[in-house]
Amino acid sequence: TQLLEQSPQFLSIQEGENLTVYCNSSSVFSSLQWYRQEPGEGPVLLVTVVTGGEVKKLKRLTFQFGDARKDSSLHITAAQPGDTGLYLCAGASSNDYKLSFGAGTTVTVRA
Amino acid sequence: SAVISQKPSRDICQRGTSLTIQCQVDSQVTMMFWYRQQPGQSLTLIATANQGSEATYESGFVIDKFPISRPNLTFSTLTVSNMSPEDSSIYLCSVETFPGDEQFFGPGTRLTVL
Repeated sequence: TQLLEQSPQFLSIQEGENLTVYCNSSSVFSSLQWYRQEPGEGPVLLVTVVTGGEVKKLKRLTFQFGDARKDSSLHITAAQPGDTGLYLCAGASSNDYKLSFGAGTTVTVRA
Repeated sequence: SAVISQKPSRDICQRGTSLTIQCQVDSQVTMMFWYRQQPGQSLTLIATANQGSEATYESGFVIDKFPISRPNLTFSTLTVSNMSPEDSSIYLCSVETFPGDEQFFGPGTRLTVL
């Protein structure tokens, strides 16, 4: 099992502020996926990054994959209450394609 | 993407009983997985459900406790056997259309064992 560390564990911010969530590992991943999970729901896939150094933007969300494919970050600009949720990163091994999940970051955006 | 449904969505069970959770996908998929998410924690992979053969279990999970069936490419079941309060969790199934593809998750089954 490849260990993924997410930080911070909890994040509470005011609407309109920016936030960044980090996902780090000592292992190399073939790809990395970010999910958001709301209470009572399953995780919903936000993005997959596969190339070292890749940057993907989805509206106010920016995802980066480290050059060495060991780490990633999620940046949210001008956060809104609808961004509240548990953010999970998950790395895929090139050997067996199983996902290893980080512990998650609980984000609360206050109106 | 794939549309995944799970039944039941939640249940409250007595200690010592068993519960079977169903996972249905709207299209044929190669890979199906079962995860457990304990309260306030991340996802832990229980097993990979293989079509036509026994499931492949992760360390710490055994077939006697979590028997899995996968009769075809769109359906799988997970049974939680001889339940104890420690089995109270959200159980999630996920699918990959092809190995190494993106994983999509069902809505989960919230299990409470008294």
